[in-house]
Amino acid sequence: DVKVTQSSRYLVKRTGEKVFLECVQDMDHENMFWYRQDPGLGLRLIYFSYDVKMKEKGDIPEGYSVSREKKERFSLILESASTNQTSMYLCASSLMGSNQPQHFGDGTRLSIL
Amino acid sequence: AQKITQTQPGMFVQEKEAVTLDCTYDTSDPSYGLFWYKQPSSGEMIFLIYQGSYDQQNATEGRYSLNFQKARKSANLVISASQLGDSAMYFCAMREGKFNKFYFGSGTKLNVKP
Repeated sequence: DVKVTQSSRYLVKRTGEKVFLECVQDMDHENMFWYRQDPGLGLRLIYFSYDVKMKEKGDIPEGYSVSREKKERFSLILESASTNQTSMYLCASSLMGSNQPQHFGDGTRLSIL
Repeated sequence: AQKITQTQPGMFVQEKEAVTLDCTYDTSDPSYGLFWYKQPSSGEMIFLIYQGSYDQQNATEGRYSLNFQKARKSANLVISASQLGDSAMYFCAMREGKFNKFYFGSGTKLNVKP
């Protein structure tokens, strides 16, 4: 079974802090993704990576950056956290190909105070 | 334009009955994949079913089937014999394009009544 592990289930940080969300997958997947999920808005793509050290902006990259130094790990960074970044963050991974599903982690519920 | 549209924010169904969750999509790419995910209240996203754009037959996985109407660009999920455990959010998604990006709809919250 594919395992996607997010470092924290719940996280509380303060405005202006630099926040790191970590995601690790164990299936040698080329693609990794970061989403945020807000009520009524579904999942919105922040960034994705199709290979090591490669990244592409998603639909809402502002205020975020990412790092993929190793194939199994994809980090999301909030450079200076703001209250409007309070949300559920979901990491996913997949093989390349339009027929390949994504496999998701359990999510991190992030609160910025 | 929205890539994936789910027009039903919430639905109720009686236990043991069938229910259809609607999904329409928008793409000009001839090669794409359509997916449905279930998200229970616990929050994890569970992959349910996949349909490829070139597939001639509708996909089925146990009690789940996908009613794929390519000309109408619709990919409705049909759940037969609903169970209480089917109560959850359901998301339709499409994968397409150069980087095989995923696009998700806003979801449908299904409540199964005993």
